[in-house]
Amino acid sequence: QKEVEQDPGPLSVPEGAIVSLNCTYSNSAFQYFMWYRQYSRKGPELLMYTYSSGNKEDGRFTAQVDKSSKYISLFIRDSQPSDSATYLCAMGSNTGNQFYFGTGTSLTVIP
Amino acid sequence: NAGVMQNPRHLVRRRGQEARLRCSPMKGHSHVYWYRQLPEEGLKFMVYLQKENIIDESGMPKERFSAEFPKEGPSILRIQQVVRGDSAAYFCASSARPFPDTQYFGPGTRLTVL
Repeated sequence: QKEVEQDPGPLSVPEGAIVSLNCTYSNSAFQYFMWYRQYSRKGPELLMYTYSSGNKEDGRFTAQVDKSSKYISLFIRDSQPSDSATYLCAMGSNTGNQFYFGTGTSLTVIP
Repeated sequence: NAGVMQNPRHLVRRRGQEARLRCSPMKGHSHVYWYRQLPEEGLKFMVYLQKENIIDESGMPKERFSAEFPKEGPSILRIQQVVRGDSAAYFCASSARPFPDTQYFGPGTRLTVL
């Protein structure tokens, strides 16, 4: 079983839609959760970093963590064509030195 | 630009040659991580280094791969006797403080083994 599972998509939405991206995980020790955005042939860019459970909002982006369900989400409001990219979730714990990444969800926002 | 720098951006090697990938962390960052990304797969952790020390190399293949982060100069990921299966994008990330501090990624080096 993979440490982190992420639906690869692809996901295609019209401009202005609300996008929901999700990851599940198996390791209950995970307490650090991140979302990265990666444009084609570029390096990942950090969008959100949250600790433990709860919500965090930054502009059009909201990250949610539900540790009881081992489930994290990223919501993008008022999606724009410039949001078209692959979104990677990542997580880790205090018991290791590495973050575990999902395989990424490819998102296309259609003008 | 004070971001993470990687070079070369593209590297082509023939089977059996050596590949050297370089990473200069963000200014003020002394922690470096190397990841490998294969098509349809996520980023896979390879090694975590601090200046002059390897902190965790549990993700590194036991043979042919090595990494260093000297006191002066960039971090180097070295792959000896490359094989076709080494073809991938290799990313470096840096952080200001130890794990699990925020990691900032470079643009990557795309290695192609012919």
